Amino acid sequence: GNSVTQMEGPVTLSEEAFLTINCTYTATGYPSLFWYVQYPGEGLQLLLKATKADDKGSNKGFEATYRKETTSFHLEKGSVQVSDSAVYFCALSQRRGSTLGRLYFGRGTQLTVWP
Amino acid sequence: GAVVSQHPSWVICKSGTSVKIECRSLDFQATTMFWYRQFPKQSLMLMATSNEGSKATYEQGVEKDKFLINHASLTLSTLTVTSAHPEDSSFYICSALAGGDEQYFGPGTRLTVT
Repeated sequence: GNSVTQMEGPVTLSEEAFLTINCTYTATGYPSLFWYVQYPGEGLQLLLKATKADDKGSNKGFEATYRKETTSFHLEKGSVQVSDSAVYFCALSQRRGSTLGRLYFGRGTQLTVWP
Repeated sequence: GAVVSQHPSWVICKSGTSVKIECRSLDFQATTMFWYRQFPKQSLMLMATSNEGSKATYEQGVEKDKFLINHASLTLSTLTVTSAHPEDSSFYICSALAGGDEQYFGPGTRLTVT
């Protein structure tokens, strides 16, 4: 079956610190992988994605590389800001033909960045 | 980018009553929408997949007679929580598939049943 395992939070960092949030997955076939971010009081927003092995998704200084050999999609950022404080969700989706199917989410990791 | 709205953003209702939540894709058409439930500090749980013009597909363990889903147009899906009970209190989130490649999420609806 399909599942996503994320490192448990909360994660608390000082501004400009390095961030890693681990994510591993179990899937049949070749899923697409995503990181979503949920800011307080808001809905989920797509942060980045990768659709095949060795792809690197990047956005707003965040990066994640699709590693098929380790079934991982760890999220990294070199220097976090207070505005990055949010909940981060790792997710996967299997394609059905040309259409992405349902998303399978990890439990989410709360990140708090202090000035 | 594509925008999905939800209405209402929060609602309080009495036990035994029904509540309807709307999910709209504002600037694109969505043949498929998803409804999720999110408990505090937990992940999103998919409740059902809503396809325009056909019956919704419910996930195992979700009562289809309690959570009625209607996807009557390419821009609107509704979730009705019937005979609500306090245990139905939760954060309900919808998403819509755009162009077959990406899901856009609504801001969520906070339901509190008293």
